[in-house]
Amino acid sequence: NAGVIQTPRHKVTGKGQEATLWCEPISGHSAVFWYRQTIVQGLEFLTYFRNQAPIDDSGMPKERFSAQMPNQSHSTLKIQSTQPQDSAVYLCASSGRDWGGPDTLYFGAGTRLSVL
Amino acid sequence: TQTVSQSDAHVTVFEGDSVELRCNYSYGGSIYLSWYIQHHGRGLQFLLKYYSGNPVVQGVNGFEAEFSKSDSSFHLRKASVHWSDSAVYFCAVRASSSFSKLVFGQGTSLSVVP
Repeated sequence: NAGVIQTPRHKVTGKGQEATLWCEPISGHSAVFWYRQTIVQGLEFLTYFRNQAPIDDSGMPKERFSAQMPNQSHSTLKIQSTQPQDSAVYLCASSGRDWGGPDTLYFGAGTRLSVL
Repeated sequence: TQTVSQSDAHVTVFEGDSVELRCNYSYGGSIYLSWYIQHHGRGLQFLLKYYSGNPVVQGVNGFEAEFSKSDSSFHLRKASVHWSDSAVYFCAVRASSSFSKLVFGQGTSLSVVP
């Protein structure tokens, strides 16, 4: 079990460019979460999927952020027209159940996005 | 809406000391509580969780936490810390209704001096 895999580990983009972050959840896990982590804001919930269906995207900045989960084995977070304030560590996590109970989240190591 | 407050941003102790990291939550309904640890440059790792029963729950590496409904708290404790316990600790809460998300506190950075 390789755990949750996030790629790339580091990404540098210029202001206005697009960034796509990838997450491979633990095989068999049905819930996938995206969080953003910064020193100032801490851990912010962005969105999550259950059985590939989007359940809650209340944390997503609506205009430039989007997330998909086209199959059970990966999810992507896309940021269009990146801005310096998007610089953060983006964490993906998965959970083994249908997220109906006090389930544990398993986190990836994160992708550090730096927008110059 | 559930909220989580970790009042101490930084805690420094000596190796072998005991430590308590505080967590208070605000939510009117039934909830699940948990603690996660994040070592520098790594993702978060699960430590322990509480949802019912004995209010004192045991976790990995000698950590335990105690739930108090009257105080709306879920403090994390360890009797004797090791330098490798230096990390950031996050308290998290989620409503027990299905499909609710996990909300994290701001984190407490623990430094253990050898």
